[in-house]
This record gives sequence, structure tokens and C-alpha cells, in this order.
Amino acid sequence: SQQGEEDPQALSIQEGENATMNCSYKTSINNLQWYRQNSGRGLVHLILIRSNEREKHSGRLRVTLDTSKKSSSLLITASRAADTASYFCATGRYGGGADGLTFGKGTHLIIQP
Amino acid sequence: DGGITQSPKYLFRKEGQNVTLSCEQNLNHDAMYWYRQDPGQGLRLIYYSQIVNDFQKGDIAEGYSVSREKKESFPLTVTSAQKNPTAFYLCASSIDGRASYEQYFGPGTRLTVT
Repeated sequence: SQQGEEDPQALSIQEGENATMNCSYKTSINNLQWYRQNSGRGLVHLILIRSNEREKHSGRLRVTLDTSKKSSSLLITASRAADTASYFCATGRYGGGADGLTFGKGTHLIIQP
Repeated sequence: DGGITQSPKYLFRKEGQNVTLSCEQNLNHDAMYWYRQDPGQGLRLIYYSQIVNDFQKGDIAEGYSVSREKKESFPLTVTSAQKNPTAFYLCASSIDGRASYEQYFGPGTRLTVT
């Protein structure tokens, strides 16, 4: 099964700055999803971008997808302390996704007040 | 409130005992999933069910069993055959098991086996 890998593993920035994290995956996909996990909690879905989309926005989130490079990025603008969490990208185990998702190890984001 | 519930939040067991983790959803979703998360790691798929009365093995199914007798329930049993059962277990659901949709996660159960 394919796997997404996030980069960097950890990121610490000042409140108000923008945070960018990247994800690479191995094989073709139908879509790519980003999730957030607060410490010790379940995951929360942030955004889904389809393979025929190049960019998608949701509030302060901007996701890009480059299928030729098999990579995606998540940008959080004007960061807040509440954005402190781990962020994961996820792709379908066999591309389609109906049979579950494969997650990377995540980027741990810390927003310094 | 609509959502996914998992119980209990913390679970302690002695080695050699089977233990069942509960997962219930009232979202009317067809598909349900069980994932395992180890410290500093991503999630790994244990089992999934795309529709009631049907389920499939994920990437790390050995030592686990599931049932899907009701649409809203997908319990996971961690058997004594699972070599390293201590982990954080997450249940999720999605609206349709035929394609890739966003998944809704429960709060998780932290299992400690000593």
C-alpha cells in the first residue's frame, strides 16, 4: 500500500506567522486528504483535494496538489495558538480510498504565543 | 448530537486477556474503520467494513477480530495473539464505502496491556 510522508516532522513558529507543511506519496491517487489531531484526541478532517484539482481553500487553509511530483502542501495562514496540533496527510490505500486510508507520520506544529 | 463514540477512553488489561473496544456511530454511515496509532506514528488500518455484515482485513489485522452485525456498531476485539497490543485505537466512519470520502473519527481508546 502507498504511504504519505509529511515534512517537516516538527515545526515551531510564532503566532501570526504562516505555517507550511508538505506531503509526498508514492503512487497514483484519486484524492488526498489532510487531518488535524490535537494531543490525545481523534482526528478531524480538514480538507480533501481531488486528483484533478491543483489548489483548494478553506478558511485560513490552502492546500495544493502536484500529481506530477506526487506531493501536496498545506498552508495555514495567520496562525493561532489553537492551531497547535499534529497534521497528517492521507491517501487511499490502493488509490481509491474506499478500502481505508494510509497516513504519514505527521507534522507536529507548535504555535508560540 | 451526531458523531462517533468510543468507550472506554482508557482501558487496562493483563497480558493474555482478550479485550473488546466499542465503536458506535449515529451518522448513518455505511463504512467503518479501525486504526491503530503508536507514539509519534501515523495511523495504520486494522480492519474496515464497507457495509453491514461485511468486513475486510487492513494492513495489520493479525491478532484482531471485528464484527459488523449492525450498521451503527463496529466493535474491535484485541486478542491474546496480538503481540504488542498497547496503543491508541481510533474508530472512524465515512458516508459511503464505495469511494473515498472524508472520515469522521471517534475520540479514541488508549489500551495498556501489562
